Amino acid sequence: GAVVSQHPSRVICKSGTSVKIECRSLDFQATTMFWYRQFPKQSLMLMATSNEGSKATYEQGVEKDKFLINHASLTLSTLTVTSAHPEDSSFYICSARPTFWSYNEQFFGPGTRLTVL
Amino acid sequence: QQQVKQSPQSLIVQKGGISIINCAYENTAFDYFPWYQQFPGKGPALLIAIRPDVSEKKEGRFTISFNKSAKQFSLHIMDSQPGDSATYFCAASMGTGNTPLVFGKGTRLSVIA
Repeated sequence: GAVVSQHPSRVICKSGTSVKIECRSLDFQATTMFWYRQFPKQSLMLMATSNEGSKATYEQGVEKDKFLINHASLTLSTLTVTSAHPEDSSFYICSARPTFWSYNEQFFGPGTRLTVL
Repeated sequence: QQQVKQSPQSLIVQKGGISIINCAYENTAFDYFPWYQQFPGKGPALLIAIRPDVSEKKEGRFTISFNKSAKQFSLHIMDSQPGDSATYFCAASMGTGNTPLVFGKGTRLSVIA
């Protein structure tokens, strides 16, 4: 149980295009999902907290107009990188917290490797 | 303070040995402390977690030791195996809310035969 999927696993795009990454909780409902980015050999950097049916909460320094987050259902959150540039190349990972679990267990997806040319 | 400090940054252990990774936190409101294991190119996987009402939790070869007064917790990997070679992250959060995890910087463990 507690499986989170991400799609796509890897994407290469040209500078200026937009890329959508999906995060799905496969066997549980998740009112809250989180989006992180990770640079090589570094820790996870929280980008935003996504709550079903409401606007995402972005961390300081994260451009909300560039990284659009939608959490339209209890099992799906999407991150759209708009007008991607090479500096947006990174490993993007989502996590989901089961709605009815008592503690703050969070389960991570396998990540999406974005390369912007 | 939201910081979680993790050490060492890297660790090399002989096969069969004990790997020990330490973390310290500042925020006394934290009450949930998980450890994650991450292999290259993969997402982190929840390994084991502890709440501050116990001082130790063991699952197989993995043990968390927790010292509330010192605001420290550690991961012990007994009988370390080459397959344990990965990056380990400690984290902390306020347990009952939908709050983000605060991560340590990670420890790269290499288990050599």
